[in-house]
Amino acid sequence: DAGVIQSPRHEVTEMGQEVTLRCKPISGHDYLFWYRQTMMRGLELLIYFNNNVPIDDSGMPEDRFSAKMPNASFSTLKIQPSEPRDSAVYFCASSLAGRPSGNTIYFGEGSWLTVV
Amino acid sequence: GDSVTQMEGPVTLSEEAFLTINCTYTATGYPSLFWYVQYPGEGLQLLLKATKADDKGSNKGFEATYRKETTSFHLEKGSVQVSDSAVYFCATNDMRFGAGTRLTVKP
Repeated sequence: DAGVIQSPRHEVTEMGQEVTLRCKPISGHDYLFWYRQTMMRGLELLIYFNNNVPIDDSGMPEDRFSAKMPNASFSTLKIQPSEPRDSAVYFCASSLAGRPSGNTIYFGEGSWLTVV
Repeated sequence: GDSVTQMEGPVTLSEEAFLTINCTYTATGYPSLFWYVQYPGEGLQLLLKATKADDKGSNKGFEATYRKETTSFHLEKGSVQVSDSAVYFCATNDMRFGAGTRLTVKP
């Protein structure tokens, strides 16, 4: 079975440019999560969706970040304009259900973003 | 919301040494508890989990027991291998993760 698929795997962009990260969750999963991982801040939950609806976006750092899920098989995380401090690994993940079910969260391989 | 506190790393061990990584949780109820592992260049993957008090999760020689009385879920392995070098994350089912503990095993 295909896991969570993210693209691009690596991106280098210049400050001020728009960055779009893409994610295809595991088919049948109702929940989709976006995380950001940095050395300084560890793994942060940015936003999560249930049945394509954003449930909690309290982790989104600022208005430059936006996320959408137009259908059950696709989500995007957009940064506009990008800044060097946005450099990180961005993970998409999905699960069959959220809390308190105890379901496993399945992660993609990550999108490694460098903003210069 | 629920949260976890993990022992800070990094941890460096010799091959075949005993491993313990401490994790304690704070929760209003009785959450499920998880250990995830992240190998270099990869995303996190589930290592083991426990869904209720006194449950023991185990996988690949790793074990963790859900201790309600001490609100803990410590990860243990009796004999680590070089291939166990990775970052280990404790988590509740609140979808938020601990800071991660980097383990390096030397031959």
